Amino acid sequence: AQKITQTQPGMFVQEKEAVTLDCTYDTSDPSYGLFWYKQPSSGEMIFLIYQGSYDQQNATEGRYSLNFQKARKSANLVISASQLGDSAMYFCAMREGRIQGAQKLVFGQGTRLTINP
Amino acid sequence: NAGVTQTPKFQVLKTGQSMTLQCAQDMNHEYMSWYRQDPGMGLRLIHYSVGAGITDQGEVPNGYNVSRSTTEDFPLRLLSAAPSQTSVYFCASSYGNLAKNIQYFGAGTRLSVL
Repeated sequence: AQKITQTQPGMFVQEKEAVTLDCTYDTSDPSYGLFWYKQPSSGEMIFLIYQGSYDQQNATEGRYSLNFQKARKSANLVISASQLGDSAMYFCAMREGRIQGAQKLVFGQGTRLTINP
Repeated sequence: NAGVTQTPKFQVLKTGQSMTLQCAQDMNHEYMSWYRQDPGMGLRLIHYSVGAGITDQGEVPNGYNVSRSTTEDFPLRLLSAAPSQTSVYFCASSYGNLAKNIQYFGAGTRLSVL
């Protein structure tokens, strides 16, 4: 069963608009973490934002925020005021458990975001 | 600030050849991992290590070996390369047992097996 689902293979957004990238997950573990990574065309993986399953508030990091809806098992990434440099592949990932699972990230298939000037 | 360093950046192998992908980190991280990235499939965990001398299998371990003799280094060995191992390989490292366990990635190694 797919643990992380990103249903948008590609998205096109006008510069300065806000964009939401969807991510749904599947787990029966009450303790888990959700991550978003950005992969520009140069290929490196850049950490953006983290949400823990017990966190009371939605995570925010600058222009990035995570819309965490636990009951719906969704963790959508919101980028405000998009910039041309935001054009990249975006991956949602999940870590299950707290100890032994710490290194086991499961990734979604990614969403390619293109920002148009 | 070297972070996670992978070598080589590119490699072409013939079927049946062996090689080692190198990974080194200078952040004194306990945890290190290897992933492969195939088109349309995201990243998949190959092997990981929770400390020197301790390794375990991930989702797709077949055809790969790892060892962790030092905290800094975590090499990935392909014993007999196959075309199905053509992929981009990423090494990652992170601190110890924390809930917010951010993994920092190397720049990747692009491997082609002919």
